[in-house]
Amino acid sequence: QQQVKQSPQSLIVQKGGIPIINCAYENTAFDYFPWYQQFPGKGPALLIAIRPDVSEKKEGRFTISFNKSAKQFSLHIMDSQPGDSATYFCAGHLNSGNTPLVFGKGTRLSVIA
Amino acid sequence: DGGITQSPKYLFRKEGQNVTLSCEQNLNHDAMYWYRQDPGQGLRLIYYSQIVNDFQKGDIAEGYSVSREKKESFPLTVTSAQKNPTAFYLCASSDSWLAKNIQYFGAGTRLSVL
Repeated sequence: QQQVKQSPQSLIVQKGGIPIINCAYENTAFDYFPWYQQFPGKGPALLIAIRPDVSEKKEGRFTISFNKSAKQFSLHIMDSQPGDSATYFCAGHLNSGNTPLVFGKGTRLSVIA
Repeated sequence: DGGITQSPKYLFRKEGQNVTLSCEQNLNHDAMYWYRQDPGQGLRLIYYSQIVNDFQKGDIAEGYSVSREKKESFPLTVTSAQKNPTAFYLCASSDSWLAKNIQYFGAGTRLSVL
């Protein structure tokens, strides 16, 4: 299965809250999981990424938690701000040569003041 | 400024018309990609090119065509065979096919049908 399943589709949190976006996969050949952030009317941009041999990665207020045995990973945004309102995509990179990057369907996050 | 330039920002297509979306990059990247974005559908891959003079169909190539005659350019043509072309189109590039996990995106072209 070459899919990355992402949930929820949309999420609303209050400023200062910790939104959590979840992704799951089946294929153990995925070897790298980037997250992309897309602001309205713009193209996505790489936000943070993790390999499956690492359980957690932090960059500023963004943290990825990875559960290899459950084949699940999640993005947490600490102290969320209205400026974090965007669509977030998780993705999976397969280590087989000819398969393109596999994207989840995205989560639309709104942080309200 | 290094990056990916997509033009036009907005495009309108008449019934039966072919339209071409431009994508130019000055990052010296080998690989380039076209995605279609619809609400709730995420990013769906239309075509990709691992290297100049090569391209492959993605998941939803029907009704689209591409060329990759120059390293920096990867235009996408939406043909009249594409019956539902209204969407946001994104072009991306990566340093190489092996580095496809790190893609740089343009600002997109929004295509509407008149």
